[in-house]
Amino acid sequence: ETGVTQTPRHLVMGMTNKKSLKCEQHLGHNAMYWYKQSAKKPLELMFVYNFKEQTENNSVPSRFSPECPNSSHLFLHLHTLQPEDSALYLCASSQAGTSPSDTQYFGPGTRLTVL
Amino acid sequence: EDQVTQSPEALRLQEGESSSLNCSYTVSGLRGLFWYRQDPGKGPEFLFTLYSAGEEKEKERLKATLTKKESFLHITAPKPEDSATYLCAVQVGSQGNLIFGKGTKLSVKP
Repeated sequence: ETGVTQTPRHLVMGMTNKKSLKCEQHLGHNAMYWYKQSAKKPLELMFVYNFKEQTENNSVPSRFSPECPNSSHLFLHLHTLQPEDSALYLCASSQAGTSPSDTQYFGPGTRLTVL
Repeated sequence: EDQVTQSPEALRLQEGESSSLNCSYTVSGLRGLFWYRQDPGKGPEFLFTLYSAGEEKEKERLKATLTKKESFLHITAPKPEDSATYLCAVQVGSQGNLIFGKGTKLSVKP
């Protein structure tokens, strides 16, 4: 599946580092999402962008900063993370966030480890 | 509070042994219920969307059904390649955001 791509696939960073995750969708969608997946927990929605505008920030700490320059690209900028932020970060896209039949398609994820 | 509960947490089957996974939900304003499959180290792969009670959808050995309170994913004569974690999610509200359950990890032994 190459509809939604994410880079890097794996990332190890120290607590004082700054890094960015990248997501790109090739499906012509207008909505993009960041999720966090931790062991034994459900997927947690972090941010939603509709037509490049942020429409949801699910009480995410400011050390996570999203950026959506256009409908095809989504970034998650990371700084001064904590070890508990280690998780699989998933990007998804859908046709539009308010469509009645709006299916989200996921990328492969970035496995983040914070030391 | 909107909530999605999946059971069992883990299920071990022999090849050919049919079974069902359950997804129960308490939400206001359900817009749709989604099933995804997730393999280790990969993102969730879309399987089905169900919109109203009584609706059913099938794909190969999988069949999803929906009632007003729960959904079932029936697996008929499973094969080892069906081993994965199956995620259920409900879509609610005007924004259409998804609320996920914790998933059921299915293992099918040959």
